[in-house]
Amino acid sequence: QKEVEQNSGPLSVPEGAIASLNCTYSDRGSQSFFWYRQYSGKSPELIMFIYSNGDKEDGRFTAQLNKASQYVSLLIRDSQPSDSATYLCAVGGSQGNLIFGKGTKLSVKP
Amino acid sequence: GAGVSQTPSNKVTEKGKYVELRCDPISGHTALYWYRQSLGQGPEFLIYFQGTGAADDSGLPNDRFFAVRPEGSVSTLKIQRTERGDSAVYLCASSGGGEQFFGPGTRLTVL
Repeated sequence: QKEVEQNSGPLSVPEGAIASLNCTYSDRGSQSFFWYRQYSGKSPELIMFIYSNGDKEDGRFTAQLNKASQYVSLLIRDSQPSDSATYLCAVGGSQGNLIFGKGTKLSVKP
Repeated sequence: GAGVSQTPSNKVTEKGKYVELRCDPISGHTALYWYRQSLGQGPEFLIYFQGTGAADDSGLPNDRFFAVRPEGSVSTLKIQRTERGDSAVYLCASSGGGEQFFGPGTRLTVL
């Protein structure tokens, strides 16, 4: 059973701080990794994807992948109250489907 | 349209009834996925279409669930003899070969 684990939170950070969200996965053969943001009552929105070891930056977001440790993280710099949401980590399955964690709820306090 | 659309946005039905949920993917996307999300959980994979055929239906929970995509575009998820445990948000996503983009979902409530 392929699994993706995330801390459910809530993770609370002050406005302007760095939020660090973490995810581990069980299938060592996984090749693709995604972070989705989900506001309450809305559907998941893709914010980052990463396929290779190392860091990938896009604006205030940085995704980090370490395949040896089976660990993927998302850093959000200069956190804003509008970043308050649930962040879902997803790993690509063998047929292209996504295997999701339960999500980490982030709260950014003004 | 610009994104994935799903209808209806909300569906309330009684236990034992039949329901159909519709997904209209992003134009040109050949891959289409159905997921189900319960409160406090991440989306759970149900079925994947590549074109008209179901490439992977291993996530369907039982034979009350069925999905079709007859012309390789719009897909319909069909649930027979609904049960209260089927209550969830049903999400559809489409992909052009890489990342998946989700529709707004259909919230199904079985009374």
